[in-house]
Amino acid sequence: ETGVTQTPRHLVMGMTNKKSLKCEQHLGHNAMYWYKQSAKKPLELMFVYSLEERVENNSVPSRFSPECPNSSHLFLHLHTLQPEDSALYLCASSQELAGVYNEQFFGPGTRLTVL
Amino acid sequence: AQKVTQAQTEISVVEKEDVTLDCVYETRDTTYYLFWYKQPPSGELVFLIRRNSFDEQNEISGRYSWNFQKSTSSFNFTITASQVVDSAVYFCALSEATTDSWGKLQFGAGTQVVVTP
Repeated sequence: ETGVTQTPRHLVMGMTNKKSLKCEQHLGHNAMYWYKQSAKKPLELMFVYSLEERVENNSVPSRFSPECPNSSHLFLHLHTLQPEDSALYLCASSQELAGVYNEQFFGPGTRLTVL
Repeated sequence: AQKVTQAQTEISVVEKEDVTLDCVYETRDTTYYLFWYKQPPSGELVFLIRRNSFDEQNEISGRYSWNFQKSTSSFNFTITASQVVDSAVYFCALSEATTDSWGKLQFGAGTQVVVTP
C-alpha cells in the first residue's frame, strides 16, 4: 500500500448504528486530518492530530469521535448519526503540521450514507 | 470570512481548449502558502502544487501552469490543451503561518471543469 488509504470506501448505516472509519498513511507523516465534504459545500476540517495529539476539534458534534493510536493510523468512530451527516469523509496526512512541509496528501474518502 | 474565493463554479470546454481557473485569496500574513488540488470523480484530492508567498515566479508543469500575483492576491491555474481526463473539481487553498491557524489549509469552494470530446 502506498499513500493514504481509507476503509471502507462506501458505508450505509442506520441512525442507531455504530461504525468506524479507518485511515492509514504509509508516508511517514506526523500529522493527520479528517475532513467532511458535503454536496455543494466547501471542505470542512473536522479534526487534526499531530504526533498523536489532537490539535483541533472544529466544533464537531460528539457523535463523531476521533482516535489516533499512532502516527500512521486515524479512526473516526460514528454513533447515532443523522441523515445530514451523509457526506464524503476524507482523511489526509502531512509531514508536518505547519511550515514548508505542510502539503496534505489525501485518501480516496469514505462515502457515508445515513438512512 | 471566506479567505479563498473561486468565483467560477463550473467551466465547460471542448477538448484541446485552454482553461484558466481563478483563485483570489485574502491574508494579512507576509508568510503563507498557496495550493491547488484536483478532485476527479473518484473523490481523492490530488496535490498539484504548493507556492510560498516569497516566490512569485510563475511555474509550468507539462500542460499545467500557475500565475501567482501578490499585487492582486491571485493564484490562477491554467490547463493548456485540455483533455477529457482533466475533468474534475479543482480546489485552491491557503495556508497561513500565524500561530492561531498553525498552517491549516483553507479551501475555496472549488471549480468544476468539464472537458468534452
